[in-house]
Amino acid sequence: GEDVEQSLFLSVREGDSSVINCTYTDSSSTYLYWYKQEPGAGLQLLTYIFSNMDMKQDQRLTVLLNKKDKHLSLRIADTQTGDSAIYFCAENHSGYALNFGKGTSLLVTP
Amino acid sequence: SAVISQKPSRDICQRGTSLTIQCQVDSQVTMMFWYRQQPGQSLTLIATANQGSEATYESGFVIDKFPISRPNLTFSTLTVSNMSPEDSSIYLCSVLTSRTSGGYTGELFFGEGSRLTVL
Repeated sequence: GEDVEQSLFLSVREGDSSVINCTYTDSSSTYLYWYKQEPGAGLQLLTYIFSNMDMKQDQRLTVLLNKKDKHLSLRIADTQTGDSAIYFCAENHSGYALNFGKGTSLLVTP
Repeated sequence: SAVISQKPSRDICQRGTSLTIQCQVDSQVTMMFWYRQQPGQSLTLIATANQGSEATYESGFVIDKFPISRPNLTFSTLTVSNMSPEDSSIYLCSVLTSRTSGGYTGELFFGEGSRLTVL
């Protein structure tokens, strides 16, 4: 199947910016997503971007898409301890079913 | 957005038994999916729950093991049959919301998940 790759861990200090990166292989993806999963919880849709866009900003979150390189990133400005969670990148392959990366564990330290 | 409720939120089950998980959505949705998240892993799509017809299963998942019902546009169930410890996972329901003008928004929402432990 098509692959979605993410780095497994990221540690940042409170107040700094976090950048989580993702690469994917399916060039036919229509939408790309970022989800947040806190311990013991389900998945929270943070943001998503349509494949014909290269940037989307929503408050502290900025998504950048480089479709040529099949690279997606999520930037969290002014990272807070409450942002500590696992962040999943996902792309839709075959209709609206999602193909997920393995998740990046973000640790925010005081 | 969509509010998705799953029951049970967690359960401990005995090997060989079956458990049915319910997913209730607060609005009518056409596209509904079931995913599995094994411990420490990412999510894997089990099937697409189709209203009024049989579910569409992904490779590696079969109807006898994971029967799915979708009686209407707001409700679905997933049964995990003849459970073994390898079935210990979080099972998540997901829906794709529609535009009032037609078509889909692209937004896929997830329930809180049902955490199953099989002994």
